[in-house]
Amino acid sequence: GAVVSQHPSRVICKSGTSVKIECRSLDFQATTMFWYRQFPKQSLMLMATSNEGSKATYEQGVEKDKFLINHASLTLSTLTVTSAHPEDSSFYICSARGGPQETQYFGPGTRLLVL
Amino acid sequence: QKEVEQDPGPLSVPEGAIVSLNCTYSNSAFQYFMWYRQYSRKGPELLMYTYSSGNKEDGRFTAQVDKSSKYISLFIRDSQPSDSATYLCATTGANTGGFKTIFGAGTRLFVKA
Repeated sequence: GAVVSQHPSRVICKSGTSVKIECRSLDFQATTMFWYRQFPKQSLMLMATSNEGSKATYEQGVEKDKFLINHASLTLSTLTVTSAHPEDSSFYICSARGGPQETQYFGPGTRLLVL
Repeated sequence: QKEVEQDPGPLSVPEGAIVSLNCTYSNSAFQYFMWYRQYSRKGPELLMYTYSSGNKEDGRFTAQVDKSSKYISLFIRDSQPSDSATYLCATTGANTGGFKTIFGAGTRLFVKA
């Protein structure tokens, strides 16, 4: 199947700092990329949808100034958590959609811990 | 009513058992149906992808779609401890706001050795 990579896999930062997470589709061009957040033992929560070259569409309740998304190319999207606080600690998963059947593939996730 | 309903479990079975995981959906416009497997602290992995009603088999896994009753299932034969994970059903279609994927809550499966 298609491969989506995410970097870093784990990050620990101090409160007030910003953290950038990269998501890459390695063997296909992703028409659309998605960012999810997942708390322990809970399902995926869609944060935003982004298309290459255009502004991301954020889900209700997700602060766009807090979670900056840049979709610079058909293979790269970044999520920046600005001025991170302990309540932002979570598992962030990106997903890329592409291929002939427009199937959605997930990255391995990034575990963020804000101290 | 959620668009996709899935029992969160947990479901615990002995090794070798046949596992049946199920979801129901509400929108008859959904066209594509997927099953993802998510191990703890990992991203979801696409297991099965189906379009029409009927069965699709891949090794020990069989995905079944019944569009008339809006019911989708995943069967796992000869279940193994390594199958222990959370299984998410998902669906999408042209009428979901540009093929937006709708996920079930996920069912946690434990296969005991």
